[in-house]
Amino acid sequence: KAGVTQTPRYLIKTRGQQVTLSCSPISGHRSVSWYQQTPGQGLQFLFEYFSETQRNKGNFPGRFSGRQFSNSRSEMNVSTLELGDSALYLCASSLLANRETQYFGPGTRLLVL
Amino acid sequence: KQEVTQIPAALSVPEGENLVLNCSFTDSAIYNLQWFRQDPGKGLTSLLLIQSSQREQTSGRLNASLDKSSGRSTLYIAASQPGDSATYLCAVSESMNYGGSQGNLIFGKGTKLSVKP
Repeated sequence: KAGVTQTPRYLIKTRGQQVTLSCSPISGHRSVSWYQQTPGQGLQFLFEYFSETQRNKGNFPGRFSGRQFSNSRSEMNVSTLELGDSALYLCASSLLANRETQYFGPGTRLLVL
Repeated sequence: KQEVTQIPAALSVPEGENLVLNCSFTDSAIYNLQWFRQDPGKGLTSLLLIQSSQREQTSGRLNASLDKSSGRSTLYIAASQPGDSATYLCAVSESMNYGGSQGNLIFGKGTKLSVKP
């Protein structure tokens, strides 16, 4: 069974631009969660999607948004990028809910200049 | 507000040694606790998940314990190997429910383990 895939793996953007990251969960998994990892703040929960609905959201500004498609693939979008958005963005999938064992993708490393 | 702390931040041990990694959390109202491993530049690998009603979980050379009342969990690694070198993270999921899901998954900053041959 293929693991969680994330595209692109690396991305360089400039301040003010927007970016869209993609995550394909393990086949059959319906819950997709997104996390931001930075050296200063560590790993922080962004949001969770299940059946195309956002089920839970972390403490991030509205510039961070996401969506999930009917095939469970998910995208997250960050608008008006700031230097502080530079981070590793991780996606994780689980069968039904993120309270179960989560399987993580390799991440997308975003650098904002 | 739930806070998760991991001590020490870094640990270096010789190969073959048994070791314990510590995780503490401030609010005992958790749904479960998970231990993850992260290799440099990569995503996380789930190691063990302990439900709030459980006291411990074991997988191979790994044993994780949970003491909810004291807000502590430990990850015991037996007979450490160089391949165990990685950052180990613990995370708690809160017990409050939002439409069937629990609340945020809150991570500690991790313990960076180095096992020397």
